[in-house]
Amino acid sequence: RKEVEQDPGPFNVPEGATVAFNCTYSNSASQSFFWYRQDCRKEPKLLMSVYSSGNEDGRFTAQLNRASQYISLLIRDSKLSDSATYLCVVNLSKGSARQLTFGSGTQLTVLP
Amino acid sequence: GAGVSQSPRYKVAKRGQDVALRCDPISGHVSLFWYQQALGQGPEFLTYFQNEAQLDKSGLPSDRFFAERPEGSVSTLKIQRTQQEDSAVYLCASSLLGTDTQYFGPGTRLTVL
Repeated sequence: RKEVEQDPGPFNVPEGATVAFNCTYSNSASQSFFWYRQDCRKEPKLLMSVYSSGNEDGRFTAQLNRASQYISLLIRDSKLSDSATYLCVVNLSKGSARQLTFGSGTQLTVLP
Repeated sequence: GAGVSQSPRYKVAKRGQDVALRCDPISGHVSLFWYQQALGQGPEFLTYFQNEAQLDKSGLPSDRFFAERPEGSVSTLKIQRTQQEDSAVYLCASSLLGTDTQYFGPGTRLTVL
């Protein structure tokens, strides 16, 4: 079983739609959580951190449920520019190392 | 300021050749990471440096992979006797010590024929 699992996708949605991505992680000792965005043939870029209290950044809302080891990302009023792969990321800190563990990503295409 | 840079951006190697991939982290970033991203997958951790010390190399897939950061800034990932399964994008990331946010370079796309 992979340490971070995501919806396989792809998701094809019309402009203006609301879309939700889910992710589960296996290591209960995980300490921090993120969503990264990766455009085609580009590097991953941090979209937002995820906190237990939930956090919002404009049209994006992230939620963390530590008990269920579940992370979500909600995108409201989707734009064409939101088309990308969304990577669920967990920090499995081990001692001084702060390696990130990535899910395989969920591909989103927003259609005109 | 300048972000993380990597070179070359593309590398084609014949099976059995040695390759060296370079990473220039953001100035002042103590932590440096290497990841390998296969097609259709998320990046996978290879190794981690804090300054010049390689603190974790648990993700290196074989002893053909070697990384160094001798002066605590630029890092080189070397792959000896490349195999077809080494074909991937190699990403470098850097961060400030004690922070979780990692900044990624554009990657080196390695194709082994």
